[in-house]
Amino acid sequence: AQKITQTQPGMFVQEKEAVTLDCTYDTSDPSYGLFWYKQPSSGEMIFLIYQGSYDQQNATEGRYSLNFQKARKSANLVISASQLGDSAMYFCAMREGTGAGSYQLTFGKGTKLSVIP
Amino acid sequence: AAGVIQSPRHLIKEKRETATLKCYPIPRHDTVYWYQQGPGQDPQFLISFYEKMQSDKGSIPDRFSAQQFSDYHSELNMSSLELGDSALYFCASSSRRRNTEAFFGQGTRLTVV
Repeated sequence: AQKITQTQPGMFVQEKEAVTLDCTYDTSDPSYGLFWYKQPSSGEMIFLIYQGSYDQQNATEGRYSLNFQKARKSANLVISASQLGDSAMYFCAMREGTGAGSYQLTFGKGTKLSVIP
Repeated sequence: AAGVIQSPRHLIKEKRETATLKCYPIPRHDTVYWYQQGPGQDPQFLISFYEKMQSDKGSIPDRFSAQQFSDYHSELNMSSLELGDSALYFCASSSRRRNTEAFFGQGTRLTVV
């Protein structure tokens, strides 16, 4: 079974508008972390935002916020006031366990976001 | 702030040759991960090290091996290269002790011809 599901292969958004990229996850581990990364056409993987499973508040980093709904197992990324430079592939990823447990990141298939001027 | 450094950035090898990719984690990070991302694919976990010991193993072929050295840098050794090994190889690092985010290097683009 897919651990991370991103149902939107591609999304378009008008410049200056907000956009939500969907991510659902599947884990039975009570301790996990959720990440969003941006990958522009140049290839580098840029960390955007992190949400821990025990965090009470939704994570925010500048124009990025994570809409964390634990009961629904969703961790959607919201980008406010889209800019042309936001055009890229966006990956949702999960890390399960802490301490001595498994510490690998599992990625979704990604969503390609295109910002239209 | 210091980031994860990977070298080389680009590498072209012929089939059946060997390649060594290097990764220098962020200072004081104790965990290193290696990922392989084929064209149009999501990154696939290969292997990770925590405090210089192998901690998890993913879909790493037997032709590949990796290690982490006393200075925490890591090397991914790839032998008998095949055309299908052409990919972007990422190294990431994090601090398990401090439960930090995982930061990625810029990747090494390996092309096997």
